[in-house]
Amino acid sequence: GDSVTQMEGPVTLSEEAFLTINCTYTATGYPSLFWYVQYPGEGLQLLLKATKADDKGSNKGFEATYRKETTSFHLEKGSVQVSDSAVYFCALSPSMGGGGNKLTFGTGTQLKVEL
Amino acid sequence: SAVISQKPSRDICQRGTSLTIQCQVDSQVTMMFWYRQQPGQSLTLIATANQGSEATYESGFVIDKFPISRPNLTFSTLTVSNMSPEDSSIYLCSYNRGGSSYNEQFFGPGTRLTVL
Repeated sequence: GDSVTQMEGPVTLSEEAFLTINCTYTATGYPSLFWYVQYPGEGLQLLLKATKADDKGSNKGFEATYRKETTSFHLEKGSVQVSDSAVYFCALSPSMGGGGNKLTFGTGTQLKVEL
Repeated sequence: SAVISQKPSRDICQRGTSLTIQCQVDSQVTMMFWYRQQPGQSLTLIATANQGSEATYESGFVIDKFPISRPNLTFSTLTVSNMSPEDSSIYLCSYNRGGSSYNEQFFGPGTRLTVL
């Protein structure tokens, strides 16, 4: 079945540092890929998405590129802020017409940004 | 995107009791989903709820334990039955807008359940 593997956390960075959170997936066909963010005490929010190979999703300074050849969707940000402290989840949804639009999540990576 | 809300936001319950969680969307949506997020873990899909049909449960989840209702296109409930401490989790509902090419889901704020 489908699966998503994320790097384990917590990841602790200083403000303005470069961030990479690795995500790889296993799925048949061409899934859609997502990054969700969960800020402390809040619900899950969609951060960015990509629906086909080589697509780049971006939002709030975060980027991730859908790499079919390496089955990866790594999250990056050039300069993190304290307000980026949260748990980040990588997820996939099966190709259109399959799986009933279900989301499969990675285990989540906690990011802590310090001054 | 439509606004999605859940009630209650949190509850503390006794072993052996049941709790019904409500999920309301402020516009009609095709598919709704229920997830469980156990402490320190990721989200696991419990079931998919479509209006007018029985919910479809994922492996490891059964209707007797997690009965779901979907009476209309804006509302769903999840009941956690005969609770035990292992049911302590955050329960989240979500919806899919349908017809999109990327199967995007929008999540409610979650219900934090503690079972004593």
